[in-house]
Amino acid sequence: GQQVMQIPQYQHVQEGEDFTTYCNSSTTLSNIQWYKQRPGGHPVFLIQLVKSGEVKKQKRLTFQFGEAKKNSSLHITATQTTDVGTYFCAGLTGNQFYFGTGTSLTVIP
Amino acid sequence: EAGVTQFPSHSVIEKGQTVTLRCDPISGHDNLYWYRRVMGKEIKFLLHFVKESKQDESGMPNNRFLAERTGGTYSTLKVQPAELEDSGVYFCASSQGRKLQYFGPGTRLTVT
Repeated sequence: GQQVMQIPQYQHVQEGEDFTTYCNSSTTLSNIQWYKQRPGGHPVFLIQLVKSGEVKKQKRLTFQFGEAKKNSSLHITATQTTDVGTYFCAGLTGNQFYFGTGTSLTVIP
Repeated sequence: EAGVTQFPSHSVIEKGQTVTLRCDPISGHDNLYWYRRVMGKEIKFLLHFVKESKQDESGMPNNRFLAERTGGTYSTLKVQPAELEDSGVYFCASSQGRKLQYFGPGTRLTVT
């Protein structure tokens, strides 16, 4: 069965509001990656987290890896219309990546 | 540097027909992966090549799917015969070692 759960599946926000998507794994992950897929495009790598409790920032994006390495979150501060797309997490366990179902973000101008 | 390319970008076939998808990885990348995303569901791993060898094909859904990577360069994924539930977007990705995977644009397969 699916090992990485991602919520919410859809999120609509007003431009300027914050947005967060969460991933939870049933097993401990070696690392977790985050991808962004623009409408009609393909997943593009954003970042990889490896260490327990790791926090990384990319401009308005903040990525966290849980202490138990079973959960992760992506937070976008003050969303912009360019943030529209689907955000996927992918957790590595063993030699295989398990993708979350993705969170589709719509930003209303 | 050229990225991962996939061909065709979109394919519409009838149930029972055969389709072959192609992936050209980034030059020099030994690792090649196939993934599939069925509408509304997560991207699922299909298989992993290291050069021309199948490292892991645990995600292949059934024996109607055949992947090859002759010579360790480009790879093909053949679906024969196609069924309605095979519709989705097929992604290919390549990497050097265990570093990040670069994804191709995907092939959207529609089986009618």
